Amino acid sequence: EFVLTQSPGTLSLSPGERATLSCRASQSFSSTYLGWYQHKAGQAPRLLIYGASSRATGIPDRFSGSGSGTDFTLTISRLEPEDSAVYYCQRYFYPPYTFGQGTKLEIK
Amino acid sequence: QVQLVESGGGVVQPGRSLRLSCAASGFTFSIYAIHWVRQAPGKGLEWVAAISYDGSKEYYADSVKGRFAISKDFSMNTVSLQMNGLRADDTAVYFCARGGYCSGGGCFYLGFAYWGQGTLVTVSA
Repeated sequence: EFVLTQSPGTLSLSPGERATLSCRASQSFSSTYLGWYQHKAGQAPRLLIYGASSRATGIPDRFSGSGSGTDFTLTISRLEPEDSAVYYCQRYFYPPYTFGQGTKLEIK
Repeated sequence: QVQLVESGGGVVQPGRSLRLSCAASGFTFSIYAIHWVRQAPGKGLEWVAAISYDGSKEYYADSVKGRFAISKDFSMNTVSLQMNGLRADDTAVYFCARGGYCSGGGCFYLGFAYWGQGTLVTVSA
């Protein structure tokens, strides 16, 4: 069974700091098919990064992605209050289109 | 502009059925795969089902296989999710999302860039 494991579960940081979120896959796959999403309560999820490192349309350059194989990272530099959300990684090629369990980012 | 609008949610008793719809507009519906993703209360995102761009292939999460059926109506630009044998653990907000597309002999996967706002399904006696 293919699994994506995100860490940490919760991250609490101050505005202006940098956040580093991790996503580890149970088996290696092409980074072409790794995405990151931001999800706020009551809203639709928002695609931030696709292809592990390409920013989606309208996403500020404070958001960046990296990684390959089984280890992927989402970095948010210069945190702002509106970055408070749950962040998910996803493999979006070939079913099941698995999501990680999420990292909750709290801005102090 | 791209729009996905879900409808059909509500309260239903365990064992009963419900049909969700996702109305698509603002893009070439016939070349895109469409997915359903759900979020149970207090839980994370769970991929549920997908239908290929041409409607010829359907994919399901193990948790719904044999109970849910996804279909595409090209005349109405809608995707439906027929949910049978509903259980309490199917209670969730259900989102539809646009997936990859196939055109010019190739297929392209760029994440789920567009989502609907979701429709709430509550399974309770």
